[in-house]
Amino acid sequence: AQKVTQAQTEISVVEKEDVTLDCVYETRDTTYYLFWYKQPPSGELVFLIRRNSFDEQNEISGRYSWNFQKSTSSFNFTITASQVVDSAVYFCALSAARPSGSARQLTFGSGTQLTVLP
Amino acid sequence: DSGVTQTPKHLITATGQRVTLRCSPRSGDLSVYWYQQSLDQGLQFLIQYYNGEERAKGNILERFSAQQFPDLHSELNLSSLELGDSALYFCASSLLGEKLSGNTIYFGEGSWLTVV
Repeated sequence: AQKVTQAQTEISVVEKEDVTLDCVYETRDTTYYLFWYKQPPSGELVFLIRRNSFDEQNEISGRYSWNFQKSTSSFNFTITASQVVDSAVYFCALSAARPSGSARQLTFGSGTQLTVLP
Repeated sequence: DSGVTQTPKHLITATGQRVTLRCSPRSGDLSVYWYQQSLDQGLQFLIQYYNGEERAKGNILERFSAQQFPDLHSELNLSSLELGDSALYFCASSLLGEKLSGNTIYFGEGSWLTVV
């Protein structure tokens, strides 16, 4: 069984502060994918990043960075110099890597509500 | 814009009624997923179709059913609706090919269902 834990239910920061959202996962699969999605107040789920379990290189995209540590089963997300527009619910998710056409549904964490105050 | 289209965006209906939610996946994507997001249950996987065939089933109630048509669009049918079925229903799609890029699942904007 797969499980994703986002222990931080709500985080509030002041604009320009850095913030890290934690994600811990459990899986018996040896190969898997990890994702982060953003859900702004409008409701849509916006894809941010996919990480493959065999690639532990950290990634940076503008103000966003992700720290994947297989040894601790964590995939944390950092926003540098946060902005009010970053206010949203952020979800971490996990899926198994299976052959083409197989079941690959996502298991989501409960989400972290990030509020960036001006 | 993810490329996944869902209709309707908002729907209000009475208990006991039946509704159909429609989803058009991204061009070229063969797999369609349905998720339900409610306040108490979070994001729950309902069902997955791949090229017209059911591939995985999650926490989908017997009152709910889905199908994927030859043109790859999908419909989620919700019947005998109860107040607790009020939720945001997402459709998502992915290519599910051998290329790594095919493993990203993109979501539509969701269909807000309110049962009164």
